[in-house]
Amino acid sequence: GNSVTQMEGPVTLSEEAFLTINCTYTATGYPSLFWYVQYPGEGLQLLLKATKADDKGSNKGFEATYRKETTSFHLEKGSVQVSDSAVYFCALSDRGSGGSNYKLTFGKGTLLTVNP
Amino acid sequence: EADIYQTPRYLVIGTGKKITLECSQTMGHDKMYWYQQDPGMELHLIHYSYGVNSTEKGDLSSESTVSRIRTEHFPLTLESARPSHTSQYLCASSGGSGKAFGPGTRLTVT
Repeated sequence: GNSVTQMEGPVTLSEEAFLTINCTYTATGYPSLFWYVQYPGEGLQLLLKATKADDKGSNKGFEATYRKETTSFHLEKGSVQVSDSAVYFCALSDRGSGGSNYKLTFGKGTLLTVNP
Repeated sequence: EADIYQTPRYLVIGTGKKITLECSQTMGHDKMYWYQQDPGMELHLIHYSYGVNSTEKGDLSSESTVSRIRTEHFPLTLESARPSHTSQYLCASSGGSGKAFGPGTRLTVT
């Protein structure tokens, strides 16, 4: 079956530090890959996605590249802000085309705290 | 901005009570989902629906039940709440515009 393994937290960084949250996956076929963010007290919001190999998703300064050869989708940001403090979830869908319509398999989440 | 709503946002109830968590969306999405989120943050799919009168159990066994009588409404019911049901419950829907999550209901059973 499908699975997602992401870096365990918590991760604590100072403002303007570089962020990497690792994510690897196991799936049959060609899944779509996602990063979701959950701010305190809120639901999940889609941060970025990639639907095929070598695609790069980007949003709000965050980036992640779909690497089929390493089955990875690591999240990066060059300079984090206090407002980036949240829980980040890596996820995959079990259909390749678009993928947003289908069930998601989530990683366990990584809590990021950014200090001023 | 996502148009998916959950009520209540917070609920504290006693053991043995029957409760219904409401979820509604105004996007006309056919597919809707319920996820249970552990205190340790991990998300588990417990129910989903591909349309009216369609409901399926998810990856994690749950004592809750769901119904889908209308496209926009996907309530989740616990007939007899127990402390082990204490969790955050997230509703989601998906369609052509993508997948959207509600703000969640944080349930505490005492």
